[in-house]
Amino acid sequence: EIVMTQSPATLSVSPGERATLSCRASQSVRSNLAWHQQKPGQAPRLLIYGASTRATGIPARFSGSGSGTEFTLTISSLQSEDFAVYYCQQYNNWPPQFTFGPGTKVDIK
Amino acid sequence: QLQLQESGPGLVKPSETLSLTCTVSGGSISSSSYCWGWIRQPPGKGLEWIASIYYSGNTYYNPSLKSRVTISVDTSKNQFSLQLSSVTAADTAVYYCARHPFGGGYSLDYWGQGTLVTVSS
Repeated sequence: EIVMTQSPATLSVSPGERATLSCRASQSVRSNLAWHQQKPGQAPRLLIYGASTRATGIPARFSGSGSGTEFTLTISSLQSEDFAVYYCQQYNNWPPQFTFGPGTKVDIK
Repeated sequence: QLQLQESGPGLVKPSETLSLTCTVSGGSISSSSYCWGWIRQPPGKGLEWIASIYYSGNTYYNPSLKSRVTISVDTSKNQFSLQLSSVTAADTAVYYCARHPFGGGYSLDYWGQGTLVTVSS
């Protein structure tokens, strides 16, 4: 099983500031990495796939980078609606054996 | 616009079987391009993929749950279902249904709103 880890567990950021979230895979997942955003009481929403491609309707302030085992999600200027939990997810294998990171909570500083 | 909606009992007794259904609207579950899956999230915790199914009946399971899980599809109703047997309190979670491509190469993209299932006597 590919184990995903994320850091930090919590990130306190002021509105308008930049947030940088990290995700690491226990083995290479190439670019088969997605980021999902989850707000309280809501389902996750796909933000980024292919490590760096924004999903439909996702603002340009969200960007992803990395490949192999090290990945980063950057939110360039945090808006109030961006305070949420962010999960990375790998989909490297077929048949599917999806695994998620434990999440990074982005809260208001 | 594709929509997925989970349904089923919100309370299940320990040792019984949890049964949930996901109804797909705005698209066909028989699409050759997609699989349909279940993911769960215990209260305050992270996400765990449970299983996925292709419209033809091909099934894929998380090895850690495989002995207790059955996933099935009903193309005539545009629905797929999850059964989880011998439940315990550890199976208490919000259960989501979601879509992902068949053959890999892309993530889970559309999610249902989720349904909370509590295991308690």
